[in-house]
Amino acid sequence: SQQGEEDPQALSIQEGENATMNCSYKTSINNLQWYRQNSGRGLVHLILIRSNEREKHSGRLRVTLDTSKKSSSLLITASRAADTASYFCATDNYGQNFVFGPGTRLSVLP
Amino acid sequence: NAGVTQTPKFRVLKTGQSMTLLCAQDMNHEYMYWYRQDPGMGLRLIHYSVGEGTTAKGEVPDGYNVSRLKKQNFLLGLESAAPSQTSVYFCASSTGTGRTQYFGPGTRLLVL
Repeated sequence: SQQGEEDPQALSIQEGENATMNCSYKTSINNLQWYRQNSGRGLVHLILIRSNEREKHSGRLRVTLDTSKKSSSLLITASRAADTASYFCATDNYGQNFVFGPGTRLSVLP
Repeated sequence: NAGVTQTPKFRVLKTGQSMTLLCAQDMNHEYMYWYRQDPGMGLRLIHYSVGEGTTAKGEVPDGYNVSRLKKQNFLLGLESAAPSQTSVYFCASSTGTGRTQYFGPGTRLLVL
């Protein structure tokens, strides 16, 4: 079974609104990463958060990690049409290979 | 730097045919990976390599073989293609376990 599960599966918002996606996982992790995939393209790394970190920022992105709940969230503030993409979380389980979740499809409407 | 490149971009095969997908990276990364992505699912690891001359099985290795004869190249082979192997294949590379992975643009494969 997959380690990471994103929620919701799909999200549709208006430009300028904030978008929040969640990721839950099952076993202890070393770090968790978020990736973006534009339609028909490869994945692009967004941000990495280590197991001893609780929050991390990068531009309009804010990632939180709650290891007690085995969950992470990705917040995109002031969304733009260009943010339309699928977003995946990937967990690193202490040297094992990454496990990617099924992703959240975000649509930002102009 | 070109990053990670994949050849070909798109291919149609008949059941039973064979083919090789080529991945090349110019970042001097030790680790390379092959994934497949099916609709509604995340990426699933097929095979990976932790250095030149090494390969290892991932989550879904059956029906595929790989080779890493040169550090910059990672080849994925299908000896006898099946319709279940219709998918989008992504190659990625990284400097090590748990590090950021850099992805190629993907190869769309259709097996009839």
